[in-house]
Amino acid sequence: QVQLQESGPGLVKPSETLSLTCAVSGDSISSDYYWGWIRQPPGKGLEWIATIYHSGKTYYNPSLKSRVTISVDTSKNQFSLKLSSVTAADTAVYSCARQMPRGLWAFDYWGQGTLVTVSS
Amino acid sequence: QSALTQPPSASGSPGQSVTISCTGTSSDVGGYNSVSWYQQYPGKAPKLMIYEVSKRPSGVPDRFSGSKSGNTASLTVSGLQAEDEADYYCSSYAGSNNLNVVFGGGTKLTVL
Repeated sequence: QVQLQESGPGLVKPSETLSLTCAVSGDSISSDYYWGWIRQPPGKGLEWIATIYHSGKTYYNPSLKSRVTISVDTSKNQFSLKLSSVTAADTAVYSCARQMPRGLWAFDYWGQGTLVTVSS
Repeated sequence: QSALTQPPSASGSPGQSVTISCTGTSSDVGGYNSVSWYQQYPGKAPKLMIYEVSKRPSGVPDRFSGSKSGNTASLTVSGLQAEDEADYYCSSYAGSNNLNVVFGGGTKLTVL
């Protein structure tokens, strides 16, 4: 059974950088799948942030691209997200997920999500 | 404002069928078969219910079905059950030469 677990600070100050890590078990991060981050502001809908392949190939939401970095650590079977210059609008539940390859692009396994609040 | 348009709410009585629409453009829903649907209970992670417009992952009841016509995708839940009450989100591939994924704003399904 594939499992994903997010970790990182639950509180980040405005203008600072949000950093999260997703530990993957039950599958190799070097498999054929892609790995992504999605966020959901309280009471609102889902927003795709970024996706990475184990080769290091990255894909970013155009609206967030200037502030986002996604990376992968195959030795630890995990991948990470950094979002810089955060504001209150970045307060959300951040989830990591496994993403289907070969043009399907659906997220088939999700982490439980972690709430990140941006506040001083 | 979400890239894909869904009705904020939908409802039906137990045993009935309900259809949730997801409208995009020729650059996303209408241009690709990479449409997926997710079910989300309050405080829980989304669960994949439909991918590639109409395919169900293992374990998803066949009461859930998906379809697409032009720029609009649809999720139909047949034989409604109380446990189907949840939020439902559609998603589509939206990139031409680069990966881009867009979601709908979500639909709250109420079982009356």
